[in-house]
Amino acid sequence: AQSVTQPDIHITVSEGASLELRCNYSYGATPYLFWYVQSPGQGLQLLLKYFSGDTLVQGIKGFEAEFKRSQSSFNLRKPSVHWSDAAEYFCAVATYNTDKLIFGTGTRLQVFP
Amino acid sequence: GAVVSQHPSRVICKSGTSVKIECRSLDFQATTMFWYRQFPKQSLMLMATSNEGSKATYEQGVEKDKFLINHASLTLSTLTVTSAHPEDSSFYICSARGSLTVNEQFFGPGTRLTVL
Repeated sequence: AQSVTQPDIHITVSEGASLELRCNYSYGATPYLFWYVQSPGQGLQLLLKYFSGDTLVQGIKGFEAEFKRSQSSFNLRKPSVHWSDAAEYFCAVATYNTDKLIFGTGTRLQVFP
Repeated sequence: GAVVSQHPSRVICKSGTSVKIECRSLDFQATTMFWYRQFPKQSLMLMATSNEGSKATYEQGVEKDKFLINHASLTLSTLTVTSAHPEDSSFYICSARGSLTVNEQFFGPGTRLTVL
């Protein structure tokens, strides 16, 4: 069965610092991969997605993610974090033959000035 | 484009009553809609998948008689929590997928249900 692991429950960074949020997935074939962001009390906003092609994916708000098949990873990165990036980040995986999104447990990002 | 709305955003009800939550796709036709439940500080758990005009498919452990899902049109799905109890208090989020968006779901803003 497919699964998604986000090893970091909570990350704190200073504003302007770089950021990397980890995501590992378990699936036999190439999955569809997503990163979502959720502000408190809000729904989910799609940051970026990977279906195929270039393994480095650019998203909104200056985020990028890299798909590494050998490591079964899809880590999210941002070179310089802004205070407004403080939120919950979810990695998710879907397969080509199912509509279901499997979510990781999320990483809460806190940004200090 | 691809906007999904939910109504209400917050609802408080008494134990034993039923509550209906609406999920609408505003600018596209949603052939499939999904309902998720999110407990505080936890991830989203898929409750059910509904295709327009068909019965919903519920995930294991979700009571279909308690969480009634209707997807009567290509722009509207409803979730009715019947005989609500305090343990049903949660954040309910819907998402929608159109026929042209492969494996991409668009999420609503969520509904906070509190059962007293």
